[in-house]
Parts: sequence; C-alpha cells; structure tokens
Amino acid sequence: EVQLVESGGGLVKPGGSLRLSCAASGFTFSSYSMNWVRQAPGKGLEWVSSISSSSSYIYYADSVKGRFTISRDNAKNSLYLQMNSLRAEDTAVYYCARVVDTAMANWFDPWGQGTLVTVSS
Amino acid sequence: SYVLTQPPSVSVAPGQTARITCGGNNIGSKSVHWYQQKPGQAPVLVVYDDSDRPSGIPERFSGSNSGNTATLTISRVEAGDEADYYCQVWDSSSDHYVFGTGTKVTVL
Repeated sequence: EVQLVESGGGLVKPGGSLRLSCAASGFTFSSYSMNWVRQAPGKGLEWVSSISSSSSYIYYADSVKGRFTISRDNAKNSLYLQMNSLRAEDTAVYYCARVVDTAMANWFDPWGQGTLVTVSS
Repeated sequence: SYVLTQPPSVSVAPGQTARITCGGNNIGSKSVHWYQQKPGQAPVLVVYDDSDRPSGIPERFSGSNSGNTATLTISRVEAGDEADYYCQVWDSSSDHYVFGTGTKVTVL
C-alpha cells in the first residue's frame, strides 16, 4: 500500500524554524517527484514546493521562497521541508503528496494525512 | 500568476447532478485534475488529466475541459459526496502548481 506519513509539526513562535518530514512507503520513492501543499484553517489548498526525483528541479511558491527549503533523501525514502523565518500566515496543515508524472500532465496522488504547524507567540 | 476560479458553493438534491466549474484563461490548453476533501481528511484525487478516473473512483464522477472552463460532474449525487472539491493545473509559465479556490458541495 502506498503511504505517506508527515511529522514534525507543532507550535513555534514567529521568526522561528521548524523541519517537517514525510516518510514514504509502498512505492519506489526515488522514481517520483514530491510536493508539499498546505491548508490554512478554514481555507483552501495552497501549493508550497516541489522537488524532482533526483532533486535536480526544485520550485517554490512566491509566498515561501527564500524562507523554506525542500529536500529529500532517497536512501531513507523521506521528504523534508525546512521552514525558517516563520510567520503567523504560515499556520496551516502541511501535506506531502506524490506527483504522478506523464509526458503531458502531472497530478498529486496520494496525499499524506497532514501535520499541523501553528505559528504564534 | 495563473488564477483558477471556482464557485464557493453548489447545492444539489440526492440523485441529481452536480456540476462544479473551474475557470482559467485558456484552461482548455492545460491538463486539469480534481480533488475531493471531506472534513478533517486529506484530499483525494477523483479525476485526472481532464476526464480520467483513478481506480476506485465511481463512474458517477466525470470531467471535461474546453475553452476557459473545466467542469467536474457528479451524477446521481449521494450524501457521501458532500465535500470540498478543488481543481488543479500546472502553470508552465511560472513553474508553479495552481489550485482552484475550492467549491463546497452540499447535498440537500
């Protein structure tokens, strides 16, 4: 069974840092691009960052560029999100999601259960 | 940046058809994917590449995409279809993934 399990969320003060992890199982992790997507309380989905299978291509949403760093360890089947200079508006549930890539399109399937990050003093 | 606009809410009686639109500039030239999210749960893919269904998704879910509008259609709506639905595309001009604003489907 394909499974993604996020961890590392919690309460952090504004300006602080947090590192999220996503443990993957049930598929060949090193063959897939991966993403982080977040959802603020009561709000819609917001794409955060994407990393290709070999880490050659990395993309960020404008709202997190320069503050967040996505990375992966294919030997450990793990995806990470280092979040620095956190702001109140970064408060959200953070999901990791596998990217299914074809020549013409790419979509997210499956998603993890999410981990809550709260930025508050 | 590329913007996807969805109606905030759609209400439908059981057994009827729900249509959820996703508007974007020339969206017909992109591949559109749809996700269902029930309260307290992670999103689930229900339609990919405009109109294909993942295994396990009922045939009642279908999609289309043309011009400036993509549409997710839910036929013979059931109470269990009550959820938020999001469209999503890849914007190659910005190298960003984009989600729609989301639509809450209420089954009357």
